[in-house]
Amino acid sequence: SYELTQPPSVSVSPGQTARITCSGDALPKQYAYWYQQKPGQAPVLVIYKDSERPSGIPERFSGSSSGTTVTLTISGVQAEDEADYYCQSADSSGTYEVFGGGTKLTVL
Amino acid sequence: EVQLVQSGAEVKKPGESLRISCKGSGYSFTSYWISWVRQMPGKGLEWMGRIDPSDSYTNYSPSFQGHVTISADKSISTAYLQWSSLKASDTAMYYCARQGLETTDMDVWGKGTTVTVSS
Repeated sequence: SYELTQPPSVSVSPGQTARITCSGDALPKQYAYWYQQKPGQAPVLVIYKDSERPSGIPERFSGSSSGTTVTLTISGVQAEDEADYYCQSADSSGTYEVFGGGTKLTVL
Repeated sequence: EVQLVQSGAEVKKPGESLRISCKGSGYSFTSYWISWVRQMPGKGLEWMGRIDPSDSYTNYSPSFQGHVTISADKSISTAYLQWSSLKASDTAMYYCARQGLETTDMDVWGKGTTVTVSS
C-alpha cells in the first residue's frame, strides 16, 4: 500500500525557520496538502495543491515540491505554531488518499 | 458559515453496532465528497474512505474496506459511518471532512466523534 514518510519530530527556536518534509513515490503526479493539528482539536488545512495557502493562514506558512518530496516551511516560527503536522496525498491512480505519519513541531 | 456537525460521543460494548453522523450546512452538500478519518489515541490520522453525496458513490481505503460502511442521505445533508460489530480496536476519534471533487484537500472538518468500545 502507498505510504507518505515524514520525520517524527522537528524542533526549532522561536523566530527560526522550520522545514517539514514528506516523501512519496506518487508525489510528482499528485498534489500534496498539509494540515496542522493542535491537542484536542480537529486538523486545519494550511497548504493545498503543494504550495497554495488558504485564506486566513498566516503568510509564514509555505509549501514547495521537488520530485518525490514536498516540504512545508514555517518562517519565523512562533510559539503558537507548536503542533502536529500531517501531509496528505493520493496514490498514483488517485483512488486512495493517504496521510503521512505526522511530524511533531516543538518550539524550544 | 460552512460547517460539519458530528454526532456525540459513544460508548459501546464489543459486538454492538453503531452509526455516527456528520451533517453539513452552509454549502451545497452534493458538490463535495465527505471523507472519514480515524485517529486512534495518541496516533496519527488515517483516511478511511469517502462518499460522493450526489450519487452515494464510495471508495474505501484497503485498510478499512469491509470493516465499515459509509453512506449518505442528501435530502438531509448528512453522511454516516457505521459498524456492524464493534471491536475494542475501533476505539478512536472519528472525523468527517469536506473534500473537493478535483483538488482533494479537506478544507472543512467536523469536531470529531469519540467512540469508545469496552466491555
